[in-house]
Amino acid sequence: DSGVTQTPKHLITATGQRVTLRCSPRSGDLSVYWYQQSLDQGLQFLIQYYNGEERAKGNILERFSAQQFPDLHSELNLSSLELGDSALYFCASSVKAGGRRAQYFGPGTRLLVL
Amino acid sequence: AQSVTQPDIHITVSEGASLELRCNYSYGATPYLFWYVQSPGQGLQLLLKYFSGDTLVQGIKGFEAEFKRSQSSFNLRKPSVHWSDAAEYFCAVGGDTGTASKLTFGTGTRLQVTL
Repeated sequence: DSGVTQTPKHLITATGQRVTLRCSPRSGDLSVYWYQQSLDQGLQFLIQYYNGEERAKGNILERFSAQQFPDLHSELNLSSLELGDSALYFCASSVKAGGRRAQYFGPGTRLLVL
Repeated sequence: AQSVTQPDIHITVSEGASLELRCNYSYGATPYLFWYVQSPGQGLQLLLKYFSGDTLVQGIKGFEAEFKRSQSSFNLRKPSVHWSDAAEYFCAVGGDTGTASKLTFGTGTRLQVTL
């Protein structure tokens, strides 16, 4: 158990819909990362937040957005969902934001878009 | 741009045999290197990490990895594989870019262990 929690564990929805994925980092961790794992794209970095502020952006679609709240939990919002958005979405956290920090991953949210 | 290559998509070893999973990276500065393991339906568990110093790093579950700068490699090894090691293994590279950081992952190596 990494100490990172994600909810829900599974999500099934329809095309065009909007969903919110939630992540609680390990106690004391200030930085949160979102990754997407799909069969065709592999594991890809989406976005990073540090203490409430966006720090880095990866291959995140404009239909996707994220935020980190004052209590340090984070939410990833996916809108206008398409079939291709079906994937496993991971949240990870680290103590600080620099690269010299290990990232600890949550169990993931498996999203299925029908 | 940073990248990671894991040349072996699938490896099968017998229980008790030694294991080496290959990882080659590309990174413009000093790399930080990681190995993660993912069991079916599970999240990613950190096996070990390299930031600096001793190029042979020890991790959990009896795994070790050796950083070879001249070969841009960070291969994962285990002297004796157990059936419970069957999983998918991911190598990742990151770097120090101030307060921004991301990991770039390889495509993974699926390990099958035969009894």
